[in-house]
Amino acid sequence: AQKITQTQPGMFVQEKEAVTLDCTYDTSDQSYGLFWYKQPSSGEMIFLIYQGSYDEQNATEGRYSLNFQKARKSANLVISASQLGDSAMYFCAMRSYGQNFVFGPGTRLSVLP
Amino acid sequence: KAGVTQTPRYLIKTRGQQVTLSCSPISGHRSVSWYQQTPGQGLQFLFEYFSETQRNKGNFPGRFSGRQFSNSRSEMNVSTLELGDSALYLCASSLAPGTGQETQYFGPGTRLLVL
Repeated sequence: AQKITQTQPGMFVQEKEAVTLDCTYDTSDQSYGLFWYKQPSSGEMIFLIYQGSYDEQNATEGRYSLNFQKARKSANLVISASQLGDSAMYFCAMRSYGQNFVFGPGTRLSVLP
Repeated sequence: KAGVTQTPRYLIKTRGQQVTLSCSPISGHRSVSWYQQTPGQGLQFLFEYFSETQRNKGNFPGRFSGRQFSNSRSEMNVSTLELGDSALYLCASSLAPGTGQETQYFGPGTRLLVL
């Protein structure tokens, strides 16, 4: 069975600093996708970044980058130059061929002014 | 391109009633998934529809059901509501299911409160 682990229930970061949110996954599949979503207090899940299991380079999207270490089954999200608007819940998720999305428990990020 | 829309946004019901939630996917997306999110259980998968067929179902009782129409719009129904059904119900759409590479885009959710 697939599983996502996010070991940091909550994180604090100073505005303009970088922060890394941890995500490890467990799967026996070879082809899968890894995703990060942001959920502000309004409730909507916002897609941030995607990494395919066969992608050799780490994905980047603006201030977001995904540190993908396949052998360690790790897919950490790095947010550079944190902004107050980055305060939210962050969910790591994965999906394998023919399977449903599986989400982690989330990490609550608080950006301090 | 318009995003995923969900109606209603907020709903208050009493125990024993039933409720129907609606979801319109992004134009061109044919796969729709539903999730229940509660503080205690996190984000839990309810079911996924593609081409009007249920592809997968999560571990929820039969009181939870859904369907998809030919225009890819989807509805989910919860009958005989219980207090524990109070949650944020999220709908997500993607182009198609299966390969693991299709990103799901979420709607704003429907907040259901059961009294």
